[in-house]
Amino acid sequence: KAGVTQTPRYLIKTRGQQVTLSCSPISGHRSVSWYQQTPGQGLQFLFEYFSETQRNKGNFPGRFSGRQFSNSRSEMNVSTLELGDSALYLCASSLTSGSMHEQYFGPGTRLTVT
Amino acid sequence: ELKVEQNPLFLSMQEGKNYTIYCNYSTTSDRLYWYRQDPGKSLESLFVLLSNGAVKQEGRLMASLDTKARLSTLHITAAVHDLSATYFCAVGGTSGTYKYIFGTGTRLKVLA
Repeated sequence: KAGVTQTPRYLIKTRGQQVTLSCSPISGHRSVSWYQQTPGQGLQFLFEYFSETQRNKGNFPGRFSGRQFSNSRSEMNVSTLELGDSALYLCASSLTSGSMHEQYFGPGTRLTVT
Repeated sequence: ELKVEQNPLFLSMQEGKNYTIYCNYSTTSDRLYWYRQDPGKSLESLFVLLSNGAVKQEGRLMASLDTKARLSTLHITAAVHDLSATYFCAVGGTSGTYKYIFGTGTRLKVLA
């Protein structure tokens, strides 16, 4: 069974640009959660999608948005990039609601903003 | 708001020694997860603890959950270098929320 995949794995962008990250969950999983990981702030929850609906959102500005498609694949978008957005972005999939079941993490997308 | 604290944040230990990592959380929850992260890599699931008194063991690692004390422990027995990694606990299943809350992580270094 294939694991969670994320594309691209590495990305370098310039301040002010926007970026879209993609996540394909494990087959059969309907929930996708996104996290930002930085050395200073640790692992922070961004949002969770289940059946194409955002179920919960973390404390991030509106520049961070996401969506989920009918095949459960999810995308995350960050507009007007700032230097502080440099981080490892992880997505995780689970069968149903993200907190009720074990989450399986993808390899991450390392975003560098210059 | 749910808070999850781990201690210690950093742990340097000799091979062959035992140690325990603690995960405290602030509100009621009956689901506790432990993950391992190697440098530059993603998170790997280690244990899922679903009820009070749950204990799970895999190799040199053993995790337990005390929901009344709001405490989970990850015990390392006779540490080996390969256990060097960062360990995270995450609390989930709290009423009305759909997200995990991760602890700060414990960076473990096992010295040969």
